[in-house]
Amino acid sequence: AQKVTQAQTEISVVEKEDVTLDCVYETRDTTYYLFWYKQPPSGELVFLIRRNSFDEQNEISGRYSWNFQKSTSSFNFTITASQVVDSAVYFCALSEARGKTSGSRLTFGEGTQLTVNP
Amino acid sequence: KAGVTQTPRYLIKTRGQQVTLSCSPISGHRSVSWYQQTPGQGLQFLFEYFSETQRNKGNFPGRFSGRQFSNSRSEMNVSTLELGDSALYLCASSPRVAGGSDTQYFGPGTRLTVL
Repeated sequence: AQKVTQAQTEISVVEKEDVTLDCVYETRDTTYYLFWYKQPPSGELVFLIRRNSFDEQNEISGRYSWNFQKSTSSFNFTITASQVVDSAVYFCALSEARGKTSGSRLTFGEGTQLTVNP
Repeated sequence: KAGVTQTPRYLIKTRGQQVTLSCSPISGHRSVSWYQQTPGQGLQFLFEYFSETQRNKGNFPGRFSGRQFSNSRSEMNVSTLELGDSALYLCASSPRVAGGSDTQYFGPGTRLTVL
């Protein structure tokens, strides 16, 4: 069975600080997909990134960066120079590879509430 | 392109009643998944529909059901509501290019309160 753990329940930082959100996953599959979503107070889950298990290259998108390490089963997310608008709950999720006719599902971590104070 | 839409956004029901929630996927997306979010259990997968067929199902009782129409729109139904069914119900759509690797895009959710 697959599992995602986000050990940090809440993080509070001051604006312009860098912050890293941790994500550790468990799966028996050799091919899988990892995701990060942001959930602002409005409730909608906003897609941030998808990473394939066979691609360990780190990615940077503006102030966001992701560090994927298969050796430690981790997929951490860093926000550089945080802003108040980054305040939200962030979810890490895992999906296992399936054929086109099979179903798919996301297994989510517990989420990390990030508060960025001015 | 318009995003995933869900109706209604808020709903209040009493125990024992039934409820139907609706989801319209992003244009061109053929797969619709449903998730339940509660403070205690977090985000949990309910089921996925593709080509009007349920392809995958989470660990929920039979009171939770769904269907998908030929235009990919989906509905989920909860019968005999219980207090514990109070939750945010999120719908997600994906293009269904390949199972598992598709990115799921979420709607704003329906907040269900059971009194």
